[in-house]
Amino acid sequence: EAGVVQSPRYKIIEKKQPVAFWCNPISGHNTLYWYLQNLGQGPELLIRYENEEAVDDSQLPKDRFSAERLKGVDSTLKIQPAELGDSAVYLCASSPGGGGVAGVYNEQFFGPGTRLTVL
Amino acid sequence: AQSVTQLGSHVSVSEGALVLLRCNYSSSVPPYLFWYVQYPNQGLQLLLKYTSAATLVKGINGFEAEFKKSETSFHLTKPSAHMSDAAEYFCAVSEGRTGNQFYFGTGTSLTVIP
Repeated sequence: EAGVVQSPRYKIIEKKQPVAFWCNPISGHNTLYWYLQNLGQGPELLIRYENEEAVDDSQLPKDRFSAERLKGVDSTLKIQPAELGDSAVYLCASSPGGGGVAGVYNEQFFGPGTRLTVL
Repeated sequence: AQSVTQLGSHVSVSEGALVLLRCNYSSSVPPYLFWYVQYPNQGLQLLLKYTSAATLVKGINGFEAEFKKSETSFHLTKPSAHMSDAAEYFCAVSEGRTGNQFYFGTGTSLTVIP
């Protein structure tokens, strides 16, 4: 079974340029997450999708960041314009989805991440 | 909201020695707890998870963790460190009605000395 796929793996851009990251979750996984991971830190949630609906985007800087998950499968995260402080690893993860049943846990499966460097 | 505290951002052990990585959580409801490992330039990989079954959880690569409700802890241990265990380790807790909201600790970098 294929894991979570992310591309590109590495991206170097100049500040003020736009950049986009792509994620293909594990087949059948309803929940998709985008995380930001700074050096030496744990992942921080940017946005969580349940199918095609963004159910938690409270930590997404909406002035420059946007995301979409068309048809509830692949997802794209965009930054426009990028700033120096956006240099980090952007992780995508997916999980099967609890279906609204209380007490159901969901193991997350992570992609390899995209390392963004903004110059 | 949940929170996770990992004591010690860097831990060094000798090869063959006991590994102990600490994790404490705060939760108002029974949590689901996870340990992940991250090797350089890779994503996070699940080591083990606690989901309200047995309090002692065994994971991959010889790791195990014990859920202690009275101490709100979920420390990760391995009896004998191997060079290949050198990596970053993250403790995480999930909450929410569907368990879909995850909170991660800041991580502990494990160095194994030959």
